[in-house]
Amino acid sequence: SAVISQKPSRDICQRGTSLTIQCQVDSQVTMMFWYRQQPGQSLTLIATANQGSEATYESGFVIDKFPISRPNLTFSTLTVSNMSPEDSSIYLCSVLEGGEQFFGPGTRLTVL
Amino acid sequence: GENVEQHPSTLSVQEGDSAVIKCTYSDSASNYFPWYKQELGKRPQLIIDIRSNVGEKKDQRIAVTLNKTAKHFSLHITETQPEDSAVYFCAARIQRNKLSFGAGTTVTVRA
Repeated sequence: SAVISQKPSRDICQRGTSLTIQCQVDSQVTMMFWYRQQPGQSLTLIATANQGSEATYESGFVIDKFPISRPNLTFSTLTVSNMSPEDSSIYLCSVLEGGEQFFGPGTRLTVL
Repeated sequence: GENVEQHPSTLSVQEGDSAVIKCTYSDSASNYFPWYKQELGKRPQLIIDIRSNVGEKKDQRIAVTLNKTAKHFSLHITETQPEDSAVYFCAARIQRNKLSFGAGTTVTVRA
């Protein structure tokens, strides 16, 4: 399966600031996704990152708060903007490969 | 959208016994049902999956069954071992390859 890496692995940020999370895949993949996993909870899809076009956001998530870039088939970024303590969570990128979905190691974000 | 319900939320079993986790889904168009295992502080790992044209699939101590008519699917772990302790998530694929996840089951295997 594809090897997925994320940077940073964790960060502690002040409210009102923004953090950009990077996701790198070692092979070209058609579909990439961004998920959020709040402490002790399940995985919630934020958006589908589309190569060369605007991301497709799920209900409850908006581009102004979670801008996403996907400049090519191996890389994507998720920005968490104007952060508040409620944004404290693990953010995971995910890729679809061979009909199966795999996850990156996640970025643990704490907002103070 | 797709709604996936998962039961139980916690499961404690004696080492060597079997564990069963059940999920139901709402969208009859769902055609792919993966199961993920997530150990503490780690990423979710795909452990087994089943597609809608198959009723059962087995991989060593793990098996998954699917009942399309009833819209439910189950994970069976036999001869449980301490390393099976983790949170397990079921999921169902809806349109545009998106996965909808269940709430998770925390499995504890007692030695």
